[in-house]
Amino acid sequence: DVKVTQSSRYLVKRTGEKVFLECVQDMDHENMFWYRQDPGLGLRLIYFSYDVKMKEKGDIPEGYSVSREKKERFSLILESASTNQTSMYLCASSLDRRLRNTEAFFGQGTRLTVV
Amino acid sequence: KNEVEQSPQNLTAQEGEFITINCSYSVGISALHWLQQHPGGGIVSLFMLSSGKKKHGRLIATINIQEKHSSLHITASHPRDSAVYICAVRVDTGNQFYFGTGTSLTVIP
Repeated sequence: DVKVTQSSRYLVKRTGEKVFLECVQDMDHENMFWYRQDPGLGLRLIYFSYDVKMKEKGDIPEGYSVSREKKERFSLILESASTNQTSMYLCASSLDRRLRNTEAFFGQGTRLTVV
Repeated sequence: KNEVEQSPQNLTAQEGEFITINCSYSVGISALHWLQQHPGGGIVSLFMLSSGKKKHGRLIATINIQEKHSSLHITASHPRDSAVYICAVRVDTGNQFYFGTGTSLTVIP
């Protein structure tokens, strides 16, 4: 019954490493999102994609990039990990907004620690 | 500027109590969601509302579109209800969601 799958639950990486977080959905959704969640700040949008090879910056894109080569997969890339990117990362997907009142489905989250 | 405000931030209740969590928003929306996040991070959707009221078991969600306000009620609370409850809105002008910072609920036996 899993709908949105994130590749790792826990990751520990070193400062300066290139980090890939993968998200796969099996619902044929157009929209996919990457958020980070920090205490007191809630979920903040990093990037989202509304179609294959299409992406838009969210509220906090600095230090991140994304890739969407296939509809079901949306990857978040930390080009050079830094300690301030230690956080919980959540992926979500939803149908296109023209199909109004659609739900978002979330992955289980990846807790990334950069040391 | 927070498009979605939740209250309270933290809530402790005795088992059996009736609980209310509030959400106010400042943008035009197509739908409002109540989400639940247990320790460990995974988020599940409890309700999606665009008007009126929905009930699922001991959970009730209401929305007042004119006042831009929603409430989540838990009747006969139980320790397994302990979680973070997050209000999220889908804006009516795009594909984005805005989230509240969450209400951390602890239900004590």
